Amino acid sequence: NAGVTQTPKFRVLKTGQSMTLLCAQDMNHEYMYWYRQDPGMGLRLIHYSVGEGTTAKGEVPDGYNVSRLKKQNFLLGLESAAPSQTSVYFCASSYSTEKSPLHFGNGTRLTVT
Amino acid sequence: GDSVTQMEGPVTLSEEAFLTINCTYTATGYPSLFWYVQYPGEGLQLLLKATKADDKGSNKGFEATYRKETTSFHLEKGSVQVSDSAVYFCALSGGATNKLIFGTGTLLAVQP
Repeated sequence: NAGVTQTPKFRVLKTGQSMTLLCAQDMNHEYMYWYRQDPGMGLRLIHYSVGEGTTAKGEVPDGYNVSRLKKQNFLLGLESAAPSQTSVYFCASSYSTEKSPLHFGNGTRLTVT
Repeated sequence: GDSVTQMEGPVTLSEEAFLTINCTYTATGYPSLFWYVQYPGEGLQLLLKATKADDKGSNKGFEATYRKETTSFHLEKGSVQVSDSAVYFCALSGGATNKLIFGTGTLLAVQP
């Protein structure tokens, strides 16, 4: 009964380094999302996917890339990290959109120095 | 565009006090409205939802009524507990876009 699992939980990067955040869900959900959470700004959508092999830009996509090669996994990549990307990142999934609730992972706290 | 506005926090209450967290929205069409809760160190969880005007969502003693005339979805609880301390997010979906739009969150701290 894992739900949505994010790895890693914490990471510190130097400016210019790259990394990939992994999100896995075991609920057979079609939709998956990546959000970032910053103080006073709520959650902002980075990228999302409406099914295997598809991705789309959200509200704040610059500096990030994503891939959805398998239905259960949604990867978020930072090619060249910047201090402005210091944040808590949440992955979520849902059966569909609109009325379906989102199921969230426990987050990844990323610090870029 | 669509947006959600909720009251600034933190909200500090004593145990057994009455809670109201205000939420108003701007949206085209007929959005669905949600309250999510985030406990320390965890991701968000759905607390309750309402999908049409005059619907009341309820869960764990919390309630919120979808008021189209005032474009509001205020969260209420009659008697809060220390375990209710968390950040509460109001959200909408199904307006101009099909994506979930969150408010900025309200921190609730309940003291024994």
